[in-house]
Amino acid sequence: KAGVTQTPRYLIKTRGQQVTLSCSPISGHRSVSWYQQTPGQGLQFLFEYFSETQRNKGNFPGRFSGRQFSNSRSEMNVSTLELGDSALYLCASAGGGWGTEAFFGQGTRLTVV
Amino acid sequence: GIQVEQSPPDLILQEGANSTLRCNFSDSVNNLQWFHQNPWGQLINLFYIPSGTKQNGRLSATTVATERYSLLYISSSQTTDSGVYFCAVAGADGLTFGKGTHLIIQP
Repeated sequence: KAGVTQTPRYLIKTRGQQVTLSCSPISGHRSVSWYQQTPGQGLQFLFEYFSETQRNKGNFPGRFSGRQFSNSRSEMNVSTLELGDSALYLCASAGGGWGTEAFFGQGTRLTVV
Repeated sequence: GIQVEQSPPDLILQEGANSTLRCNFSDSVNNLQWFHQNPWGQLINLFYIPSGTKQNGRLSATTVATERYSLLYISSSQTTDSGVYFCAVAGADGLTFGKGTHLIIQP
């Protein structure tokens, strides 16, 4: 059974640009959530989607958005990139309701220059 | 929101030693997970343990939900155990992670 797949693995963007990251969850999983990891702030929750609906959202500006498709694949978009958006972005998939075990992808390392 | 604290923040041990990592959380939870972050950044699942005790090889974990803490035990440490260990609990704000324990196993 394939794990959680995130693409791309690495990305370099310029300030002001926008970026889209992709996450394919484990087959059969309907929940996808996104996290940002930085040395200063640690791992922080961005948002969670379940069956194409955003179920929870963390404390991030509106420049961070996401969506989920009918096949449960999810995309995360960051517009008007800032240097502080440089981070490892991790996606997790879970099989069911809130509190079920989450499995993480390998992450996308975004560098904003 | 839920607060999660991990201790110690750093731990340096010799190969073969045993270690205990602790995770305290501020509210009752129905989901607690332990992860090991590999050098490439991926979070590897170790245990999903809302309560009770589980063992997997040299690793075991215990969660005492009523007292709001969990322990991760690593026995007979190997250099490949090095890395950062996180605990995380589920709440209204997604998974809340502790700041991690950075474990270094020296040969």
